[in-house]
Amino acid sequence: NAGVTQTPKFRILKIGQSMTLQCAQDMNHNYMYWYRQDPGMGLKLIYYSVGAGITDKGEVPNGYNVSRSTTEDFPLRLELAAPSQTSVYFCASINGGQDPGETQYFGPGTRLLVL
Amino acid sequence: RKEVEQDPGPFNVPEGATVAFNCTYSNSASQSFFWYRQDCRKEPKLLMSVYSSGNEDGRFTAQLNRASQYISLLIRDSKLSDSATYLCVVRKGSARQLTFGSGTQLTVLP
Repeated sequence: NAGVTQTPKFRILKIGQSMTLQCAQDMNHNYMYWYRQDPGMGLKLIYYSVGAGITDKGEVPNGYNVSRSTTEDFPLRLELAAPSQTSVYFCASINGGQDPGETQYFGPGTRLLVL
Repeated sequence: RKEVEQDPGPFNVPEGATVAFNCTYSNSASQSFFWYRQDCRKEPKLLMSVYSSGNEDGRFTAQLNRASQYISLLIRDSKLSDSATYLCVVRKGSARQLTFGSGTQLTVLP
């Protein structure tokens, strides 16, 4: 299993440009998440999905959109890039079973710089 | 007030030292608790789950006090390879959302 994969690894955007960050998992996990991490800070939840066709906002959703058409893929869309969106973006997934100790698997991250 | 608060750090300790990290959480509905480790420019990785009874994994011991809403991590006999940022994490909600602390940076010195 590849686990959680993210593309691209690094991207520079100009203000106002748009892009899609790709995330895929091959573990048949139901739940998927997008986080951002600013320098010296913990991760903050942007959006999450509990299954194909179901998405919901997290703590910091403004400026982003998501879709979940398949179990495997959970892309994150930035429509009008702003310097405040310069960050590292992590995608994660979890099966969503009954084990309270079950935790999320993270992808390697996408570093985004908006200039 | 942040939902998860950690020691600000950074911690610089010599090899072989014992170091303790503390964390408090504000949401009493939090269901599960974890310590993650994050190496520079890498994704967070689970170090250990934290249970009320306390749990140990080799040199690492984690404790949870639900009444005080307090979580701790103790690292004994520190190794150079323990140098990383340690993130206190709580989980809540039917969608298993995670809330992260800002992290405490540990540097183990030779």
